[in-house]
Amino acid sequence: NAGVTQTPKFQVLKTGQSMTLQCAQDMNHEYMSWYRQDPGMGLRLIHYSVGAGITDQGEVPNGYNVSRSTTEDFPLRLLSAAPSQTSVYFCASSLWTGDNEQFFGPGTRLTVL
Amino acid sequence: RKEVEQDPGPFNVPEGATVAFNCTYSNSASQSFFWYRQDCRKEPKLLMSVYSSGNEDGRFTAQLNRASQYISLLIRDSKLSDSATYLCVVNTRQNSGGGADGLTFGKGTHLIIQP
Repeated sequence: NAGVTQTPKFQVLKTGQSMTLQCAQDMNHEYMSWYRQDPGMGLRLIHYSVGAGITDQGEVPNGYNVSRSTTEDFPLRLLSAAPSQTSVYFCASSLWTGDNEQFFGPGTRLTVL
Repeated sequence: RKEVEQDPGPFNVPEGATVAFNCTYSNSASQSFFWYRQDCRKEPKLLMSVYSSGNEDGRFTAQLNRASQYISLLIRDSKLSDSATYLCVVNTRQNSGGGADGLTFGKGTHLIIQP
């Protein structure tokens, strides 16, 4: 199993550009989530999904959209990038619920200029 | 009060020593507790779950004190490879409307094992 995969590993955007961060898992996990990690802030939940077709907001959802059309994929879209969105983004999945062991992808390092 | 608080460190510890971290949490309804390990520029990985009766995994011992709302991690006979950031994690409801349980991460404690 590849586990949780994320693409791209690195990305540089200009303010106002949009892009999609890809996340996929091959473990048949129902729960998937996106976190951002900033220095001194720890991991903060952006959006999560408890299954295909169901998404909900986490702690810091503004400026991001998600969709869950399949169990495997959970892309994160930045609608109009801002410098405040410079961060490391981690996708995670767990078998059933958000309070089970979370398996993280390797992360995407995003810089917005 | 922040939901999960940890001393950020860094803790500089000689190889072979015993080191302990504490973490406090604010939500008395939390039911699940974990320690994750994160190496520099890598993703977090589960180190161990924390059970009410305390639990041990090799050189690592985790304890939970519900009355005082704190969790501890003890590392015995520390190795150079234990150098990492240790994240204290508790479960929470995602929103006041009763959304799905999720995890709240502490900011982490940075541990450096010195030869």
